[in-house]
Amino acid sequence: KQEVTQIPAALSVPEGENLVLNCSFTDSAIYNLQWFRQDPGKGLTSLLLIQSSQREQTSGRLNASLDKSSGRSTLYIAASQPGDSATYLCAVQDNTNAGKSTFGDGTTLTVKP
Amino acid sequence: DAGITQSPRHKVTETGTPVTLRCHQTENHRYMYWYRQDPGHGLRLIHYSYGVKDTDKGEVSDGYSVSRSKTEDFLLTLESATSSQTSVYFCAIRPGLEGAPEQYFGPGTRLTVT
Repeated sequence: KQEVTQIPAALSVPEGENLVLNCSFTDSAIYNLQWFRQDPGKGLTSLLLIQSSQREQTSGRLNASLDKSSGRSTLYIAASQPGDSATYLCAVQDNTNAGKSTFGDGTTLTVKP
Repeated sequence: DAGITQSPRHKVTETGTPVTLRCHQTENHRYMYWYRQDPGHGLRLIHYSYGVKDTDKGEVSDGYSVSRSKTEDFLLTLESATSSQTSVYFCAIRPGLEGAPEQYFGPGTRLTVT
């Protein structure tokens, strides 16, 4: 059974800092890994998706990396802003036709002005 | 944004009553999923569908049933609601293997069972 762990559970940083969120998974037989953002009381917004054959993806100030062999992914946020405050979830999708996803519990990020 | 709607958005119901949540998509995607999210946790898969009338169980399917009679609609039913089913329910869609792999999520339904 796939298990996904996100560390730390919560993180508080001053505005402008660069930061890294971590995601680890136990079964390396994945199809892809997706990072989401969730604001309080809201739904999930997809940030980045990394296919199993890829090493990283970038979008603006966000960079996600994937090391499938070690079961790890990181989400790097450059020059953090108060608007980045949210919960960040990672999800790994299995490589069956069903494409079922297993989620971590998330990292809640607070960026202080 | 992907065309996914969920109804109702909020519902309060009593223990023992049946409840049906609806997920509607306008994208004609093959795969549809129901997840639940409890406070401080990620999402857990309840049931999923890979086509009309084709469904299967997820990680936490006990106490839930689903139906998909049309491509665009995926219904989640709590046959007899319990307090442990108080949660936020999210629907997600994904194209078939020939399409992009991302899952897109609906806005969620907040269900309270008293």
